[in-house]
Amino acid sequence: SAVISQKPSRDICQRGTSLTIQCQVDSQVTMMFWYRQQPGQSLTLIATANQGSEATYESGFVIDKFPISRPNLTFSTLTVSNMSPEDSSIYLCSVEGSRVISLDTQYFGPGTRLTVL
Amino acid sequence: GESVGLHLPTLSVQEGDNSIINCAYSNSASDYFIWYKQESGKGPQFIIDIRSNMDKRQGQRVTVLLNKTVKHLSLQIAATQPGDSAVYFCAENHPFYFGTGTSLTVIP
Repeated sequence: SAVISQKPSRDICQRGTSLTIQCQVDSQVTMMFWYRQQPGQSLTLIATANQGSEATYESGFVIDKFPISRPNLTFSTLTVSNMSPEDSSIYLCSVEGSRVISLDTQYFGPGTRLTVL
Repeated sequence: GESVGLHLPTLSVQEGDNSIINCAYSNSASDYFIWYKQESGKGPQFIIDIRSNMDKRQGQRVTVLLNKTVKHLSLQIAATQPGDSAVYFCAENHPFYFGTGTSLTVIP
């Protein structure tokens, strides 16, 4: 499986500010995904980010609030803009599986725990 | 996205017993399913997957059963150990839509 790292691992931010979360993968992947997991809840897909194209957002998530960059095949960023306490969540990066095992499988990073005051 | 839900939010089992975690899904066209394990403070970890052309798949101490007729998925853990304590999610298709999650507690 791919090794996925995220920075920062956690942060406490003031409302109205923005935070950019980085996701680094140790191998080249075409598809990367960003999820949100609110406290005690399941994971919700925010968007799919393919290298070389604009991210595709799920219903309820918009680019102005969660801009995503995908500059190459091993890196992506998610920005949480103009934060409010409701944005307090764990944000998880995920990548597709390998061609050896299965492209359908997804692997997850450790997550970024965000608290907005 | 698709609706994927779990029957029970919590499950407690004695160490050494078998555990069964259930999951219902709503999209009859879903053709790929995964079970994930999430320990506190960590990202979800892949456990086992199954495609819709199969009814059963076995791994090490884990078995996934798929009943397409009633759109039901289950994860069986044999000889449950304290290290199995975690939240378990089923997810369907790609990219994945996740169910509610079941918190498994293993009692020593």
